[in-house]
Amino acid sequence: DAKTTQPNSMESNEEEPVHLPCNHSTISGTDYIHWYRQLPSQGPEYVIHGLTSNVNNRMASLAIAEDRKSSTLILHRATLRDAAVYYCILGNRDDKIIFGKGTRLHILP
Amino acid sequence: DAGVIQSPRHEVTEMGQEVTLRCKPISGHNSLFWYRQTMMRGLELLIYFNNNVPIDDSGMPEDRFSAKMPNASFSTLKIQPSEPRDSAVYFCASSLGGGLDEAFFGQGTRLTVV
Repeated sequence: DAKTTQPNSMESNEEEPVHLPCNHSTISGTDYIHWYRQLPSQGPEYVIHGLTSNVNNRMASLAIAEDRKSSTLILHRATLRDAAVYYCILGNRDDKIIFGKGTRLHILP
Repeated sequence: DAGVIQSPRHEVTEMGQEVTLRCKPISGHNSLFWYRQTMMRGLELLIYFNNNVPIDDSGMPEDRFSAKMPNASFSTLKIQPSEPRDSAVYFCASSLGGGLDEAFFGQGTRLTVV
């Protein structure tokens, strides 16, 4: 399985943008980049995913490097409710979804 | 759709007893995943079904664990006999197409084996 590398934890101030990095240097041409997050005492929830182009949705933006070996999840204006563990995962059709340790995001009021 | 439904939400059982966890995936989804989460080991994939067929069970810890998917709308994870080290939160998730599509997770079953 292709691996991803994320910082263990990050901190950000409320109302400010947050950039969560992910390295995936062994990504294959058909792997999609997915981001999930897990709020306290809840199951993981999907945030966003992309293949090559940058993606935006109501929750976040995903910026993918031109060589696809890294990506950044962008929360445009963090709130206290965004405090969670964020997971960067590589996925392919009919492939299993493997979670790493993720990045624990702390939001400071 | 009500999302992925897991039952029970909490289970407390004595060591040696059989435990059955249940999952109803989202209608129309072809892939189903069972995960276990502990503080020490994080989220571990136990088994993955595609079109009701087990594709990869390499994450199942040992023979005490078994999973079935008799039809597209129901799956079970059974532990027999249960041990204290099985205490964890067990999540079920479903998606349209494996690792390509968005996976939806249930609320989880918190299992405590005493």
